[in-house]
Amino acid sequence: ETGVTQTPRHLVMGMTNKKSLKCEQHLGHNAMYWYKQSAKKPLELMFVYNFKEQTENNSVPSRFSPECPNSSHLFLHLHTLQPEDSALYLCASSHGQGKGYGYTFGSGTRLTVV
Amino acid sequence: QKEVEQNSGPLSVPEGAIASLNCTYSDRGSQSFFWYRQYSGKSPELIMFIYSNGDKEDGRFTAQLNKASQYVSLLIRDSQPSDSATYLCAVGGNQGGKLIFGQGTELSVKP
Repeated sequence: ETGVTQTPRHLVMGMTNKKSLKCEQHLGHNAMYWYKQSAKKPLELMFVYNFKEQTENNSVPSRFSPECPNSSHLFLHLHTLQPEDSALYLCASSHGQGKGYGYTFGSGTRLTVV
Repeated sequence: QKEVEQNSGPLSVPEGAIASLNCTYSDRGSQSFFWYRQYSGKSPELIMFIYSNGDKEDGRFTAQLNKASQYVSLLIRDSQPSDSATYLCAVGGNQGGKLIFGQGTELSVKP
């Protein structure tokens, strides 16, 4: 499989549940990103990883916990979420260095918190 | 001031017309500029990138960059209903690989 793969595509979870989102890239990129996109709102950067080291945490609540075991895999662990966390969660990857290479996005996980 | 600004729209154009989408950015050190298309409920898809001042054409799409004015635009010629989507401008180059996205412009092409 090529590109950036996100699983699951859809997720419904209760506020007391714990779940994880998975992202895998097959592009040889060394930077990976998590974005949140709520309805009719711009992309919100959550986390940035370069060579599996976290380089940015954009004031994200602790109920979101990222994990990057290697440059090809990125997880977002979710626990005790709130209904306002319902959104499309997008993973992206890029070469990460230099003058700014374009991102390749995964298909996203549509999360609904009930 | 937002780092990357776009008119949110919606921008409505008739089929066959030229759609013009605009974006301004605040960081003069920016070096790379991207246009993404996002259909409703889908993820963004890269359609154009430009690094140098001037125009860059790819099929019906033309990206225009003016670094002195800190302005980048996307022209879509012979617009089709299938071009109806939100177009995101992204700017990068001064913060490692990180891109800064605008809020997107919604384009509607009417048959």
